[in-house]
Amino acid sequence: EVQLVESGGGLVQPGGSLRLSCAASGFTLSSHWMHWFRQAPGKGLVWVAYLNPEGGYTDYADSVKGRFTISGDNAKNTLYLQMNSLRDEDTAVYYCARGCRMSSCADYWGQGTLVTVSS
Amino acid sequence: EIVLTQSPGTLSLSPGERATLSCWASQSVSSSYFTWYQHKPGQAPRLLIYGASTRATGIPDRFSGSGSGTDFTLTISRLEPEDFAVYYCQQYGSTPYTFGQGTKLEIK
Repeated sequence: EVQLVESGGGLVQPGGSLRLSCAASGFTLSSHWMHWFRQAPGKGLVWVAYLNPEGGYTDYADSVKGRFTISGDNAKNTLYLQMNSLRDEDTAVYYCARGCRMSSCADYWGQGTLVTVSS
Repeated sequence: EIVLTQSPGTLSLSPGERATLSCWASQSVSSSYFTWYQHKPGQAPRLLIYGASTRATGIPDRFSGSGSGTDFTLTISRLEPEDFAVYYCQQYGSTPYTFGQGTKLEIK
């Protein structure tokens, strides 16, 4: 059974850093694109970043480019999102998701972890 | 950036009725890169449709997707109580992989 479990969320001050983890089971991380998405309170879903395991290519939403880094540890089968220089507007529930194998979509999502940026 | 606009913002219907949700793109999106998700509060989003019209594994056949270019539609033929949720369209044609603002499907 495919499972994604996020952790690492919490309260952080503006300008601070946080690293989110997404533990994957039931499949091999290195065989799928992986994504991070987020949902701010009362708002819709927003794509944040992807990791393409073939070549390690990554891409980011403009709002997080230069501040966030997506990476994966194949030995631990875990996806990460390193978030630096956090802003109030980064407050959201963060979801990791597995990219579909043969199509462009995200077929399994975690339950999310809440990040609150506030002084 | 491709902007997706969903209509209506809120749809009030009764179980058993038919729901039609629309999503318009600011520029043409290949059908291969168009998806629909269902999202309920406190739960993980659920993939419904990919490739504009292909149901994901385990999705009932009352859900169907159609459309091409800039105009896409999600249809739920006969609403069940568990279908009341927020629905999002999303494109994977080019980054950023944008979502529509969502359609809230509520019980009338």
